[in-house]
Amino acid sequence: GENVEQHPSTLSVQEGDSAVIKCTYSDSASNYFPWYKQELGKRPQLIIDIRSNVGEKKDQRIAVTLNKTAKHFSLHITETQPEDSAVYFCAASTPDYKLSFGAGTTVTVRA
Amino acid sequence: EAQVTQNPRYLITVTGKKLTVTCSQNMNHEYMSWYRQDPGLGLRQIYYSMNVEVTDKGDVPEGYKVSRKEKRNFPLILESPSPNQTSLYFCASGQGAHSNQPQHFGDGTRLSIL
Repeated sequence: GENVEQHPSTLSVQEGDSAVIKCTYSDSASNYFPWYKQELGKRPQLIIDIRSNVGEKKDQRIAVTLNKTAKHFSLHITETQPEDSAVYFCAASTPDYKLSFGAGTTVTVRA
Repeated sequence: EAQVTQNPRYLITVTGKKLTVTCSQNMNHEYMSWYRQDPGLGLRQIYYSMNVEVTDKGDVPEGYKVSRKEKRNFPLILESPSPNQTSLYFCASGQGAHSNQPQHFGDGTRLSIL
């Protein structure tokens, strides 16, 4: 089955700096890659997603890039703010709609 | 208000006592799924359903059952719970696994199996 690895497991950044989280996947058939944000004690929330026919997608301060050849995708958060502090999960979905998640990255934005 | 509702939110029970966690969505979504969340392991998909009467195994289906008799409901059944099923469980729904609409998660159910 699909194996998704996520790095780093923790990330501390100064407010205003950028944060980058990287994920790799094993199944070349995977074609959908969502990212979720989970604040402490809350439910996961979808923040951005990308399909395999797109190389990059941006939504305000958040961007995701996909390299199908290398089988990796990344989340970029620019101009980080304290409210960006949370656990972020990447995921990969195969065409049969199975969704596999990375282990998560705890992002702390220092004021 | 669009929402996914799980019940119960918390449950402490004993090994072997059958339990059901209910999940209901009011958005007429076709896709529903169950995940468990454990420290250091992220979220792992248990079962998912693309529509009524259609269910498929995720990455960790052992020890769980589901049913999808109606579009809005997707209960998770533990026939004989064991301590290794102690976890935080999330139900989610979406118009389609790859749709542009965000997947909506419920608030979670924390199960403790003693």
